[in-house]
Amino acid sequence: GAGVSQSPRYKVAKRGQDVALRCDPISGHVSLFWYQQALGQGPEFLTYFQNEAQLDKSGLPSDRFFAERPEGSVSTLKIQRTQQEDSAVYLCASSVVRDNYEQYFGPGTRLTVT
Amino acid sequence: GNSVTQMEGPVTLSEEAFLTINCTYTATGYPSLFWYVQYPGEGLQLLLKATKADDKGSNKGFEATYRKETTSFHLEKGSVQVSDSAVYFCALRKGGSEKLVFGKGTKLTVNP
Repeated sequence: GAGVSQSPRYKVAKRGQDVALRCDPISGHVSLFWYQQALGQGPEFLTYFQNEAQLDKSGLPSDRFFAERPEGSVSTLKIQRTQQEDSAVYLCASSVVRDNYEQYFGPGTRLTVT
Repeated sequence: GNSVTQMEGPVTLSEEAFLTINCTYTATGYPSLFWYVQYPGEGLQLLLKATKADDKGSNKGFEATYRKETTSFHLEKGSVQVSDSAVYFCALRKGGSEKLVFGKGTKLTVNP
């Protein structure tokens, strides 16, 4: 079946622009996660949804970062007024339900802020 | 806080060599431990996991044992193949939390 898909795969933004990154989880997956992976680093947690509820946003680095999942399926990560330090790969993952269920990762969106 | 420390890479081996990638963790309570692999051009995939002390996770010839006394989860494979070339990430998930905490990753290159 189809895996987690993300779009766009690559995004170049000028500093100060707003960007929106999309994640389509595996159909029926209740939980959805966003991670940020800087070059040469491991992924770092940003935020977590269960259905449409955002249960943990402790990893969002600033109030310029905002995520939503209004109908409990597709999710969008929005970054306002992008800065160079926002350049990274943004990974989305989904899982069936909570706890002890495998997180399935998408291919990521590589964001470059110039 | 919770953290994972992996051995620095890159690691370069010849085909059929023995592989060990060290991973140690810091966490309160009893976390679940994971190894994820990222092949070139692909997304992260779960390789194996262990949810309690002394559990051994295994998959595709790779093994790792959850050692609470040494807070370690080292990845091993007896005979690597060229197709094992990838970046390997150790990760933990603390009980009661959904998020994964990753190490920095170790790049493995296997030469024929």
